[in-house]
Amino acid sequence: DADVTQTPRNRITKTGKRIMLECSQTKGHDRMYWYRQDPGLGLRLIYYSFDVKDINKGEISDGYSVSRQAQAKFSLSLESAIPNQTALYFCATSDYRGYGYTFGSGTRLTVV
Amino acid sequence: GQQVMQIPQYQHVQEGEDFTTYCNSSTTLSNIQWYKQRPGGHPVFLIQLVKSGEVKKQKRLTFQFGEAKKNSSLHITATQTTDVGTYFCVGGGFKTIFGAGTRLFVKA
Repeated sequence: DADVTQTPRNRITKTGKRIMLECSQTKGHDRMYWYRQDPGLGLRLIYYSFDVKDINKGEISDGYSVSRQAQAKFSLSLESAIPNQTALYFCATSDYRGYGYTFGSGTRLTVV
Repeated sequence: GQQVMQIPQYQHVQEGEDFTTYCNSSTTLSNIQWYKQRPGGHPVFLIQLVKSGEVKKQKRLTFQFGEAKKNSSLHITATQTTDVGTYFCVGGGFKTIFGAGTRLFVKA
């Protein structure tokens, strides 16, 4: 099994719909992250969590929310999806120093 | 704010040629990490550099961290088709910042 599992792998949704992307990890790390990848822009941080009770906004958090249900689970929600949220989304985890991120396989989201 | 610039954006090489990507930060970094993302895949951790002037090698890959801890490079000797993908540097400091990546194309 993968160390970081993301579901779904692909999703097409309509503008205005609420959607949740889920992530679970078996690394036993406290730190988890959600990134968005757009062509030519690298990875941009949406939200991050250093432990179950800690949630922090990243550089592009507007339009997104997260929930840290357990040490191993970190979900990302789009409350009302819009077309410019079409992107590849990655969940990641790291140790307490932030070294050596382990990424999930990604969720390709299309908002039409 | 803190920025990490990576150049070039794209590089086309003939198999067997060398390849280098450069990463420059606007601020001093506490560490730098490098990742590789194959086409259609996810970023995979390659290495981390922490010390000023540090050089590390992994087979045909050589990683360097600048003396001022504001720049880094990844050099691939004698590229192979398996090297294709995007190489990202990630600057660690007050914030962790991803470079935009260098996409490597290798022609057989």
